[in-house]
Parts: sequence; C-alpha cells; structure tokens
Amino acid sequence: GAGVSQSPSNKVTEKGKDVELRCDPISGHTALYWYRQSLGQGLEFLIYFQGNSAPDKSGLPSDRFSAERTGGSVSTLTIQRTQQEDSAVYLCASSPGRTGVLRWTQYFGPGTRLLVL
Amino acid sequence: KNQVEQSPQSLIILEGKNCTLQCNYTVSPFSNLRWYKQDTGRGPVSLTIMTFSENTKSNGRYTATLDADTKQSSLHITASQLSDSASYICVVTRYSSASKIIFGSGTRLSIRP
Repeated sequence: GAGVSQSPSNKVTEKGKDVELRCDPISGHTALYWYRQSLGQGLEFLIYFQGNSAPDKSGLPSDRFSAERTGGSVSTLTIQRTQQEDSAVYLCASSPGRTGVLRWTQYFGPGTRLLVL
Repeated sequence: KNQVEQSPQSLIILEGKNCTLQCNYTVSPFSNLRWYKQDTGRGPVSLTIMTFSENTKSNGRYTATLDADTKQSSLHITASQLSDSASYICVVTRYSSASKIIFGSGTRLSIRP
C-alpha cells in the first residue's frame, strides 16, 4: 500500500491483559515513530526508530510499554498488564529519514483505538 | 522547557471566510516547524514544513508563516470550505534530535455553512 497501515483499528481489552499493536510503515522509510493521543489531547511521543540505530525510548510511560521493529520495517508496540489509563489512540508514523528537510515529514497511519475496560 | 502552544483552542467560522491560527514555541535549538491537519478519527496529515530560513510557505488555500526571532508561526486559511473542519496541529522539531518532536495540542476548527 501507499500509506502507513496499522492494525487492529480498534481494540477492546480487559484491565490486566496484554495487547500488541502493529504498524506497517511506508516502504523505504527508515524512521518510525509511535505516539499516543488521549481524547481531546495532543500527541504524546512514545518511541522512535531510525534505521539500525538503538531506538529512542524516552517517551515510554512505564516499563509495561515496549516496542520492536523487525527487519527495519514492521513495528509492534506491546502494552503489558493494561490499565484503564492506557485507553487512547495509538498512532504510528514513518518518515524518509534521509537528508534534506523533507526527511522530517511524517506520514501517519489511521491509528489503533485502544479501550481498556 | 520545550513547549508549543496554540491558540485559539477552538474556532467556529462561516464557510467562505478566512481565519488565522497561531502557534508560539519555546523549542530550542530549532530545526523546523510543521503544520498538520487532523480529521476526526484519522491520523495527522502534513500541510507545510518550514526551516529557520523560511518565513512563508503555501499549500493551496493554506499559508503558513514563521518568525524565528519571536518564535511564532501562523496558519492562514483563505476561503474556508466545510472540508477544512478539523484539528490543526503545530509541530516543532529540535535541531539534530529527530525524536524530540514537540506537538501543540491543536486548534479545533469548525466551518459552518
């Protein structure tokens, strides 16, 4: 596909369960970001991958959150022992990550809406 | 502290009218500033991107300005259309720190017929 895709589009889970969210970036994009957006709020940075470099995990809110990116492409965000405050839209974005100002342009997926009951 | 503040929080205008959205930032060192449009239930879509040396950038009916001295940006929408109803987000990236991308909380714009 031409854009960033995410799955599932919606996820309802019970408190304490683990969830996995998937992101397929645009082919060839070396940079990948995960964000969280609570209802009516701005985007909150979670984690950033750039090529083969060590990811920047500085935005992860707790050790229940982790993410990996396999083969420099698909990424999975895992939330363990979910809490009600984890309910939000989780957005993934990718960018070309090469030289020039356009490397900063992020292309966002449609998001995964997570509801923890 | 690196922050991006937008105003107004929300705005309602009639179709066909113009409007201007504001963004003030304290991010330093500055790399670039972007405006995104986010339709309800969808991910943000980039409208414009400006670096330190650029002070205006247009994309159709959208014109963004940047004053790097006062650390202010504006997004001007001309001849608004119903499809312009969305949240508009100002985003500032710190120099040499791709992960340090700071998002404003957005302006929610509603266009009424």
